[in-house]
Amino acid sequence: EIVMTQSPGTLSVSPGERATLSCRASQSVSSHLAWYQQKPGQAPRLLIYGASTRATGIPARFSGSGSGTDFTLTISSLQSEDSAVYFCQQYYVWVTFGGGTKVETK
Amino acid sequence: QVQLQESGPGLVKPSQTLVLTCTVSGGSINSAGNYWTWIRQHPGKGPEWIGYISYNGISNYNPSLQSRVTISLDTSKNQFSLYLASLTAADTAFYYCASRTGGDWYFDLWGRGTLVTVSS
Repeated sequence: EIVMTQSPGTLSVSPGERATLSCRASQSVSSHLAWYQQKPGQAPRLLIYGASTRATGIPARFSGSGSGTDFTLTISSLQSEDSAVYFCQQYYVWVTFGGGTKVETK
Repeated sequence: QVQLQESGPGLVKPSQTLVLTCTVSGGSINSAGNYWTWIRQHPGKGPEWIGYISYNGISNYNPSLQSRVTISLDTSKNQFSLYLASLTAADTAFYYCASRTGGDWYFDLWGRGTLVTVSS
């Protein structure tokens, strides 16, 4: 099983500042990496697939990068509505998710 | 626009079998290319993929759950169902039905989820 490790566990960022979230795979997943946003009481929402392609309707302030084992989700200018937990998911071998990074606005 | 809605018991007893159903609206469950998936999430944890069934009835399961899981398709009702046997408290979680419309194994369509508690 490919283990996905996310860091940090919690990220506190001021509105308008940049947020950088990391995701590391225990072995290469090429670019088969997705990112999700989850707000309390809601299902996860797809943000990014293919490591860097924004899903339909996702604002341009969300961007993804990386390949192989190391990936990054960047929120270029954090908005208050971006407070949520963010998960990465690999789909190179079966499907596994990371444990999440909680993003808070200061 | 396709929508998914889970239904089933919120409380089940240990050793019993959980049955959850996902109703698909706004589209046909047996349209070619559709893969209908169950995902669960323990409170405060990352999601866990349980398995899927394809539009033509082919299923595949997470190896860690394979011995206890069955997913079936009911085309007459436009539904698919999850059967999870031999429940323990460790199966207490939010259960989501989901699907992929993009041709690869990321999930862009989710139900709202349902909390299942295993307790006597």
